[in-house]
Amino acid sequence: EIQLQESGPGLVKPSQSLSLTCSVTGYTITSGYDWSWIRKFPGNKMEWMGYISNSGSTNYNPSLKIRISITRDTSKNQFFLQLNSVTTEDTATYYCARLGLRDYWGQGVMVTVSS
Amino acid sequence: DIQMTQSPSSMSASLGDRVTITCRASQDIGNYLSWFQQKPGKSPRRMIYGATNLAAGVPSRFSGSRSGSDYSLTISSLESEDMAIYYCLQSIQYPFTFGSGTKLEIK
Repeated sequence: EIQLQESGPGLVKPSQSLSLTCSVTGYTITSGYDWSWIRKFPGNKMEWMGYISNSGSTNYNPSLKIRISITRDTSKNQFFLQLNSVTTEDTATYYCARLGLRDYWGQGVMVTVSS
Repeated sequence: DIQMTQSPSSMSASLGDRVTITCRASQDIGNYLSWFQQKPGKSPRRMIYGATNLAAGVPSRFSGSRSGSDYSLTISSLESEDMAIYYCLQSIQYPFTFGSGTKLEIK
């Protein structure tokens, strides 16, 4: 069974970088599909942040383009989110996901940006 | 970016009611429209894809339809387990964009 699991700090200070890991089991991330990060803000707004493809190419939401980086470690079957220069407006629950005919999502990790 | 205007933002309905939630796309998205259900503490679950296709394992009381640039999710007979937030998502163009969500409560 394919499983995705996010991990990372739950609290980040303003102006610092947010770094999250998505660990994938049951499927090799280089085999296919795009591997996405999606976040849900307090108040329920959802935002697609970007993806890294199975070949390693990336596609980012232009609203985040200068702050976001999605990378991967194929040896560990993990992909990563880095969001720079965070503000309180980046407080959200962050999900990693494989979207397709059948979706797979992580359980989500809540990240609070606060001093 | 394609804007998805979703309505209502919240609603309350009784068990057995027919419930409809709508999204309007700011430009042509064809049938690249999905509906997601999210329950408290859970990850989103895709209910409908391709505007009208029921995802695997989704009860048949859920259906999706399209009229021009308006897309609807209908629950034919509301059950208590349907209490959730529902989102539409367009996937024809990056960045993918979600509707603002509809919080569905049971009276």
